[in-house]
Formats: sequence, C-alpha cells, structure tokens
Amino acid sequence: QKEVEQNSGPLSVPEGAIASLNCTYSDRGSQSFFWYRQYSGKSPELIMFIYSNGDKEDGRFTAQLNKASQYVSLLIRDSQPSDSATYLCAVNPNQMQLTFGSGTQLTVLP
Amino acid sequence: KAGVTQTPRYLIKTRGQQVTLSCSPISGHRSVSWYQQTPGQGLQFLFEYFSETQRNKGNFPGRFSGRQFSNSRSEMNVSTLELGDSALYLCASSPEGQYGYTFGSGTRLTVV
Repeated sequence: QKEVEQNSGPLSVPEGAIASLNCTYSDRGSQSFFWYRQYSGKSPELIMFIYSNGDKEDGRFTAQLNKASQYVSLLIRDSQPSDSATYLCAVNPNQMQLTFGSGTQLTVLP
Repeated sequence: KAGVTQTPRYLIKTRGQQVTLSCSPISGHRSVSWYQQTPGQGLQFLFEYFSETQRNKGNFPGRFSGRQFSNSRSEMNVSTLELGDSALYLCASSPEGQYGYTFGSGTRLTVV
C-alpha cells in the first residue's frame, strides 16, 4: 500500500464547476497535510495546508481533513481553465519531509 | 522576498560523471530538503537538512549526498551518474519544516 494515494485521473470538469480531489494516507501519526499545484514544466506550488480536522477555506479552495478516516480532500469552486494542472497531495509524517501522492491531473474545459 | 534559487537550471552529464547542484533557500528558512521527480516515480524525498545537520534521508543509494552550509545554502552531489538519475531535482525550504515547503524551479539533469 502506498503511503499517500490520490484518486486516479485525469479529471475533467467544465468551467464554473466544482472540482473534487481526494487523498488518503497511511501514517496515522501524520500531523500536517498539504496540497500543491504543479503546472506542466514548472515546480510544485503550495496552495493549501491543513492541520486540524474539518474544513479550511481560502478563496475558491477548500481543504477538508478527516484524521479518523485518514482522508484529505481539496475542492476547487468555480473552476477556471487556469486551474488546469496536476494537484499533489502531501503529508508531513515527521516534520522533516513531505511524502507525496502521485498526483491528479485536472483539466478544466472552457 | 526572493524565492528558492536553484542552479543550474539544466545539466547534461555523461554516465559515470558526478554532478553538484546548488540551492539557496528563502532568507530565514533553516530547513532545506531535496526531492527527485521522475514521470515513473513521482516526487521522492532525498534528504533534509536543518542548521547544517542532516535530519532525515530517503531511500536512495549512497551515491546521493548533500550538505548544508552555515548560511543555510545547500548542495547535493550525485556521483557515478547512471541513466536512471535523469530527473528534475527540486530543492525546497521551510522555516522549521512543519509548515510546508516552498520549492525552487528545479534543476533538470539529463544523463547520457
């Protein structure tokens, strides 16, 4: 079992729709969770982080964490073509490294 | 505030050679980590340094090494290059490590 698993893509949504990206992790001791966005040919860019159970909202992005279910998700509201990218879920199991999922490629169709 | 700076951006090396990559973290960030990204394996952790000490190391052979200087700048070295070492090498910095990392633009290494 992989340490961090993301729902397989690619994921396509129409412009203006909600994109839902999911991630599960295996290390119950993990304390912090991150979502990175990576455009093709670019480096990962941190867009959200969450430490506590529940929802955290930042603009059009909402991160959701459920530690009991070992589940993290990212919702993108009012999706735009510029949101088309690969979204990487990352877990910080020991505060000294990030363990990444394989990423979900999102395409927002105009 | 300047971001994480990695040099060089691109490198082409021959099998058997060695290579050194450089990373300058964001000012004030003391934690620097290195990752390898390939299409097949995704992003994999190489090692993390904090205040010149390696605190954590990923599952890579001993050919991969690194160090951090007193000004937090870091270098990683790969000796006896193999074709499979061709990848994007990313450096990331963080104030303390638990707050998420900011990545540099990466060094694209091609081994021929």
